[in-house]
Amino acid sequence: EIVLTQSPGTLSLSPGERATLSCRASQSLTSTNLAWYQQKPGQAPRLLIYGTSSRATGIPDRFSGSGSGTDFTLTISSLEPEDFAVYYCQQYFASPRTFGQGTKLEI
Amino acid sequence: EVQLVESGGNLVKPGGSLRLSCAASGFAFSNYAINWVRQAPGKGLEWVSSISSTSAYISYADSVKGRFTISRDNAKSSLYLQMDSLRADDTAVYYCTTGITFDYWGQGTLVTVSS
Repeated sequence: EIVLTQSPGTLSLSPGERATLSCRASQSLTSTNLAWYQQKPGQAPRLLIYGTSSRATGIPDRFSGSGSGTDFTLTISSLEPEDFAVYYCQQYFASPRTFGQGTKLEI
Repeated sequence: EVQLVESGGNLVKPGGSLRLSCAASGFAFSNYAINWVRQAPGKGLEWVSSISSTSAYISYADSVKGRFTISRDNAKSSLYLQMDSLRADDTAVYYCTTGITFDYWGQGTLVTVSS
């Protein structure tokens, strides 16, 4: 099973700042089968990024994904108030699909 | 507009059974793999099971293998999860979600396993 480790566990920033979230895989994802999701309290997760760097439909361009091998990053270039949420990475390279434990982005 | 509506969640005793449903609309359901993902209270996301568009390929997390059964009815645009031998650690919100990249999610249905 591929274990995804996200860091930091909690990230405290202010609107307008840049956020960098990390996701490290326990083995190399030799294809770009990594996605990022945003979840707000009481809501279902929402797909932000798939294929490591492709934005899902309707996702603002302040969200970007990058990385390869075992190290992946979600960057939010300038935080908006609605971006404060929990973010999960997920690999769909191998079964079982696994998620990271999440990064809470707080004000 | 894509809509996924889960139902069937309830309070059930350990060892009991429950059947979850997910009604889909707004897209060509029969063309997509569909998945169940769960989230225990205050915890992260856990993939549970996936079924391909024609039901030819089915997979389960080890934690539910042998106890849960995923199925679909393309004529009814519906997904199901038969949950048997339920345990306390199956308590979670269960979401259905579409495709390989989990593009769209329902609002979830709460399953509580407790005596």
